[in-house]
Amino acid sequence: DGGITQSPKYLFRKEGQNVTLSCEQNLNHDAMYWYRQDPGQGLRLIYYSQIVNDFQKGDIAEGYSVSREKKESFPLTVTSAQKNPTAFYLCASNIQGNHEQYFGPGTRLTVT
Amino acid sequence: KQEVTQIPAALSVPEGENLVLNCSFTDSAIYNLQWFRQDPGKGLTSLLLIQSSQREQTSGRLNASLDKSSGRSTLYIAASQPGDSATYLCAAPNSGNTPLVFGKGTRLSVIA
Repeated sequence: DGGITQSPKYLFRKEGQNVTLSCEQNLNHDAMYWYRQDPGQGLRLIYYSQIVNDFQKGDIAEGYSVSREKKESFPLTVTSAQKNPTAFYLCASNIQGNHEQYFGPGTRLTVT
Repeated sequence: KQEVTQIPAALSVPEGENLVLNCSFTDSAIYNLQWFRQDPGKGLTSLLLIQSSQREQTSGRLNASLDKSSGRSTLYIAASQPGDSATYLCAAPNSGNTPLVFGKGTRLSVIA
């Protein structure tokens, strides 16, 4: 059963702590993406990776970091430098050169 | 840089009505355009992908059209049902391998 999994579904952290969100896909997709969604803001791109061991900043990369050591995994770390980390985080993937994107179920992060 | 706009932000219709959702984009040199559905608290589900060489795509009661010259796409939903209630987003890349740019979505409510 192919797809994209994100864990956990809900995550709570204290301010000042780093937290890592998991994203795994078994679709054999080359490209993977992280988006942030806030009410009324739409989806904003944080980071993306088109190939293993390479990634690029999106529109709102400050306070976030990623790694792409394996094709199927693209974890996102929300660092203490991110000013407003509370949001809904979505991971997506697609085949290189074909932009039909598929999304995971999302992780809702709450930082207090 | 590509900008994607969706109007209206919200729409409420009675069950059974046919309806059209609008999407406009600023850079007509798009590779393709994709329509998604998002239920509250969930990830995005891909509905239709229209390649730049196509004028429309159909899936069941859904029909999406693409007019590159005018920078517009429409999503037509026939015989709407309460289960169609969701937020509908459109997205387009700047070029072949660049990430998608999303509109803010149209929140649809179908009233029984």
